[in-house]
Amino acid sequence: AQSVSQHNHHVILSEAASLELGCNYSYGGTVNLFWYVQYPGQHLQLLLKYFSGDPLVKGIKGFEAEFIKSKFSFNLRKPSVQWSDTAEYFCAVKVATDSWGKLQFGAGTQVVVTP
Amino acid sequence: SQTIHQWPATLVQPVGSPLSLECTVEGTSNPNLYWYRQAAGRGLQLLFYSVGIGQISSEVPQNLSASRPQDRQFILSSKKLLLSDSGFYLCAWSDQETQYFGPGTRLLVL
Repeated sequence: AQSVSQHNHHVILSEAASLELGCNYSYGGTVNLFWYVQYPGQHLQLLLKYFSGDPLVKGIKGFEAEFIKSKFSFNLRKPSVQWSDTAEYFCAVKVATDSWGKLQFGAGTQVVVTP
Repeated sequence: SQTIHQWPATLVQPVGSPLSLECTVEGTSNPNLYWYRQAAGRGLQLLFYSVGIGQISSEVPQNLSASRPQDRQFILSSKKLLLSDSGFYLCAWSDQETQYFGPGTRLLVL
C-alpha cells in the first residue's frame, strides 16, 4: 500500500515569508495528487490537484505545487503568506487506476502565520 | 451545486452506548461516498467507502460499521462505543476525480 509523508508537522512563519511544504509518496505507478486545506472551524477544502500535464499546478489563494515524478514529491508553495493562511494542510494521493477513488492522506502540517 | 451535510455537529456519548452519524449529499446522483476519522497529528484515516446503495467496503477492522440505505445517504454506526472511538469524523463524496468533504462530527466518548 502506498504511504504519504509530510515532512513538517508544525511550521511558524511571519507574514510575507515564503512557504514550502513537503510531500512525498511511496507508489511506483501513476498517481493523482491533491493538497487540501482546513482553516480553523471550516470544512476541509481542495487547494489544488494534479492529474496529468504540466507538473506545476496552480491552485486557489496564490498556492502552487510542483510534481516531480523522479522524487515522488508534490511540494506546496506560496511566495508570500498572509495571516489568513493559518491552517492545517494535507497532502493526499490516489492511485490513478483505483476505481474506488480512495485517497491516502499525509499526517498534515499545521501552519501558523504571525502578523 | 452539490452540498454535503453531516449531523450532528458535536456528540458526547457514554461508553457502551450506540452511535449513528448521518451524512447526506445533495445535487448529485450515484456518488462514491467515504467515511474518515481525523486524529490530531495523524491525518485522515479512511474507514469505509461505498460506490452504491448497499455496497460498503471497510478499510480497517474496528468497532464501527457503515450503511448506505439511499443513494445519497451514508450512515456510520456502532452498537457499543469505546473510548477509542472519540474523534472527528468526516464524510466525503466524489465525482470520480476529486473528493469533497462535509463539515464533520466531533464525537467524544466518556
